[in-house]
Amino acid sequence: KQEVTQIPAALSVPEGENLVLNCSFTDSAIYNLQWFRQDPGKGLTSLLLIQSSQREQTSGRLNASLDKSSGRSTLYIAASQPGDSATYLCAVDGNQFYFGTGTSLTVIP
Amino acid sequence: GAVVSQHPSWVICKSGTSVKIECRSLDFQATTMFWYRQFPKQSLMLMATSNEGSKATYEQGVEKDKFLINHASLTLSTLTVTSAHPEDSSFYICSASLRLGRTDTQYFGPGTRLTVL
Repeated sequence: KQEVTQIPAALSVPEGENLVLNCSFTDSAIYNLQWFRQDPGKGLTSLLLIQSSQREQTSGRLNASLDKSSGRSTLYIAASQPGDSATYLCAVDGNQFYFGTGTSLTVIP
Repeated sequence: GAVVSQHPSWVICKSGTSVKIECRSLDFQATTMFWYRQFPKQSLMLMATSNEGSKATYEQGVEKDKFLINHASLTLSTLTVTSAHPEDSSFYICSASLRLGRTDTQYFGPGTRLTVL
């Protein structure tokens, strides 16, 4: 069974710092990997979707990479802002969606 | 892009009542929709897979008689929590699958927060 792990579970950084969130998965047979943002009391917002044939995707200050063979993905956030504070989830799609437990990010003004 | 909506976004009900949650794919047809549940500080967990025109497939441990799923059209799936109890309070999220070529991509709704008093 696929297992998705996110490290760290929580992260606190001062505003302006660049940061990296990590996601690892045990079964490399996936169709795609998504990074989501979840704000308290709200639903998921899809940030980036990487197909299994791709190695990275970029959107604004966000860059996600995928190394399927090693079962790893990273989400890079450049020049962090207080508005980036949220929980970030990665999920892999391989016949079924498997979510990590998330990384709670706090950006301190 | 593909958009999935859910209604209502939040609901508070009394114990013993039933609550219906709608999931709609707004600009595409989805033969398959999925329902997830998220408890606080836990990952989203798949509850059931809903295929248009057929019975839903429930994950182990999910009571099909309690969580009724209807996928009557290619753009609408509903989840009814019957005789809701406080332990059913959770965040319910649906997703709809869009096939482009050989690739299926799931697009998620914004979620519905259910609080049972």
